[in-house]
Amino acid sequence: AQRVTQPEKLLSVFKGAPVELKCNYSYSGSPELFWYVQYSRQRLQLLLRHISRESIKGFTADLNKGETSFHLKKPFAQEEDSAMYYCGLRGGGGNKLTFGTGTQLKVEL
Amino acid sequence: GAVVSQHPSWVICKSGTSVKIECRSLDFQATTMFWYRQFPKQSLMLMATSNEGSKATYEQGVEKDKFLINHASLTLSTLTVTSAHPEDSSFYICSARRTGATGELFFGEGSRLTVL
Repeated sequence: AQRVTQPEKLLSVFKGAPVELKCNYSYSGSPELFWYVQYSRQRLQLLLRHISRESIKGFTADLNKGETSFHLKKPFAQEEDSAMYYCGLRGGGGNKLTFGTGTQLKVEL
Repeated sequence: GAVVSQHPSWVICKSGTSVKIECRSLDFQATTMFWYRQFPKQSLMLMATSNEGSKATYEQGVEKDKFLINHASLTLSTLTVTSAHPEDSSFYICSARRTGATGELFFGEGSRLTVL
């Protein structure tokens, strides 16, 4: 079974402060991890995936297999980062994508 | 980028009626589509995996006779909520993956169902 845990429902930070959205997973094999974002009144869209090892909009996420985590980080939060963030897991060779419960990020001025 | 479109965006129906929601991949082919359900302020719950030309694979706890899924072509999957009841009111979201590709899913804008 595959499971994703996002412990924080809401994360509120001030503009310019560092951001870390936590994601832990449970999967016995080699997972693919993703972060999806949903801005207000928009559809869900891919932010980044661990295999790409890229930085998108200043966000990065490193897969830590020892801690089974894939936390999303950004050194300086911007107002436009306010959105709902979902961590997703796809089991190796599998098809379906399982999401965590999501974290609402609110960046305050 | 790839676009997935859902129709209708919102629908209100009477209890006991059936409602069909369409999910189309507009500029790519999708062998596999996924149907999610989202409750207010909650996560997306995967309901089923829709496979073109074959039966859908339902997640545990999802009634396949209640939520009928048909994936008749490489660009269209439909979800029919049969004999809808107020507890079926929810936000239904579909997503699709390009045929032959792995990884990224493209999401529809969602369909809001309200059952009176």
